[in-house]
Amino acid sequence: DAEITQSPRHKITETGRQVTLACHQTWNHNNMFWYRQDLGHGLRLIHYSYGVQDTNKGEVSDGYSVSRSNTEDLPLTLESAASSQTSVYFCASSEGTTGESFFGQGTRLTVV
Amino acid sequence: KQEVTQIPAALSVPEGENLVLNCSFTDSAIYNLQWFRQDPGKGLTSLLLIQSSQREQTSGRLNASLDKSSGRSTLYIAASQPGDSATYLCAVRANSNSGYALNFGKGTSLLVTP
Repeated sequence: DAEITQSPRHKITETGRQVTLACHQTWNHNNMFWYRQDLGHGLRLIHYSYGVQDTNKGEVSDGYSVSRSNTEDLPLTLESAASSQTSVYFCASSEGTTGESFFGQGTRLTVV
Repeated sequence: KQEVTQIPAALSVPEGENLVLNCSFTDSAIYNLQWFRQDPGKGLTSLLLIQSSQREQTSGRLNASLDKSSGRSTLYIAASQPGDSATYLCAVRANSNSGYALNFGKGTSLLVTP
């Protein structure tokens, strides 16, 4: 079955370090997204991509970057981790015709 | 900016009850609306997808309706079971010129007691 996987599932890092979260989907979807989920805020969009070499900023993009070199992967990089970036991160992809979205299991990131 | 609101924020019901979860959105120009289930510490599982041209979708004991003109959707759960306990999220996707990303409500936390 097609799926979307995130790694690592849990990570603890120090303030100021660069961190990359991986997202890999086998749906062959062009559209991919990164969201963060925080208590009191719900899920908010960080970055998104509509295809290879395409990337766009979302609502809360400061301090994050993405790159899209193939259809399957959209890694999320925190350039210099801050405590405010402690959160649960979800990757998603969506089907082009119906627009249905599918989510990974999430990565819990703690910045100390 | 699209705002999505879910009421109630939390709900506790005894097993066997039928229940309704509400979702409202401020901009009726949507492409589709999707209901998700999230178990603690887990990802989001898609339950139902309603396209903007549809009025409702059904899957098993779940029925979701959409009234685009009034900016409302409801998720109806029939004969609730303890296994239905989870957080239910409503998300709307804008029309394509605003991107394909989802705008989420903050969820309804459901507890079904035996």
